[in-house]
Amino acid sequence: DIQMTQSPSSLSVSVGDRVTITCRASQTISRYLNWYQQKPGKAPKLLIHLASSLQSGVPSRFSGSGSGTDFTLTISSLQPEDFASYHCQQSYTTPFTFGPGTTVDIK
Amino acid sequence: QVQLMESGGGVVQPGRSLRLSCAAFRFTFSSYGMHWVRQAPGKGLEWVASVWYDGSNKNYADSVKGRFTISRDNSENTLYLQMNSLRAEDTSIYYCARDWESVAGTSGVFDIWGQGTVVTVSS
Repeated sequence: DIQMTQSPSSLSVSVGDRVTITCRASQTISRYLNWYQQKPGKAPKLLIHLASSLQSGVPSRFSGSGSGTDFTLTISSLQPEDFASYHCQQSYTTPFTFGPGTTVDIK
Repeated sequence: QVQLMESGGGVVQPGRSLRLSCAAFRFTFSSYGMHWVRQAPGKGLEWVASVWYDGSNKNYADSVKGRFTISRDNSENTLYLQMNSLRAEDTSIYYCARDWESVAGTSGVFDIWGQGTVVTVSS
């Protein structure tokens, strides 16, 4: 199975800050990497698929990059509604696997 | 708007069975692959199973293979997960999710999620 890791596991930031979350796959997954946002008590929401394609309706302050084994999610200017957990996930092959998540909370 | 709604969760003893349902609304259910994804309390997300749009192909996580069965009824716009021989480690919120691609195999991108249903396995 492909193992996914994320760093950091959590970070405390302020509104307006630039946030970068990294995700690493245990083997190459080309660009088959997706990012989800999850708020407490809610279902995950797809933000970005295929490493850098922004899902319809997702604000342009979110962006993704990377290929192979190393990927990045960037929030250019954090807004109050962005405090949440973020999960990366590989869709290269089954079993589809997720990273452990990164929690972004208020400093 | 496009919506998925799970039901069927509850408290069940180890070794018993439970069937989850996921009703789909306001999209052509028969055109999309579907998935079950779960999340144990305070833990990360785990893909459980997937089924093609026409039900012809199914895949399972090793942790549930042989115990869980995914199925669908396209005439009823409903996805199912039959869970047998339940274990304590199956305790989770179970989400159904739509695959991003239509009329194809499953891409593994989950673009629409239900609100989840809670399964607790405990004696």
